[in-house]
Amino acid sequence: EAQVTQNPRYLITVTGKKLTVTCSQNMNHEYMSWYRQDPGLGLRQIYYSMNVEVTDKGDVPEGYKVSRKEKRNFPLILESPSPNQTSLYFCASSLDRVSDTQYFGPGTRLTVL
Amino acid sequence: AQSVTQLGSHVSVSEGALVLLRCNYSSSVPPYLFWYVQYPNQGLQLLLKYTSAATLVKGINGFEAEFKKSETSFHLTKPSAHMSDAAEYFCAVSRSLFYNDMRFGAGTRLTVKP
Repeated sequence: EAQVTQNPRYLITVTGKKLTVTCSQNMNHEYMSWYRQDPGLGLRQIYYSMNVEVTDKGDVPEGYKVSRKEKRNFPLILESPSPNQTSLYFCASSLDRVSDTQYFGPGTRLTVL
Repeated sequence: AQSVTQLGSHVSVSEGALVLLRCNYSSSVPPYLFWYVQYPNQGLQLLLKYTSAATLVKGINGFEAEFKKSETSFHLTKPSAHMSDAAEYFCAVSRSLFYNDMRFGAGTRLTVKP
């Protein structure tokens, strides 16, 4: 089954404790991205990757890191989480251009205390 | 800069009634436009998209949207609401051929009353 998976689905952590949210897709997609969803703000793009070893900042990259060492995986790293990073995070992937469908993962709800 | 405005954070309709969710965009170049649906505890699912083909776009689950350049609008409609349509709906716009320039609206929560 074609899908985007994220782990963990729920995470409660404390300020400053490094964490990684994994994202994996099984569709051989070139493009992957991370969004955060906050009430009243919709989704905002954090980082995106056009291909292996090619990543770039989205609209809200501060406090986040990503890597794309393999085509299928695109982990999101919070080196020193802060309470303002409490949010719902989505990973997404697509084959290439906007003519292709963008598929979203199920989301990771992160709470930073 | 481009932006997306969804009019009405909450919309309530009766089952069988017309669904109309409004979306206006601002973009300096012809955009690509999208509607996504999000069911509780799930990711976003594409309903339909406009990518410079026909201005009336038909999507899944009986939804459609019309791109009106003169009004900078891309409203989502469905003739007859079903209980299963209750969800949050997001309009999005991209100026780029790729998804790296996506902007989402704040979302509209649709409630369907029996």
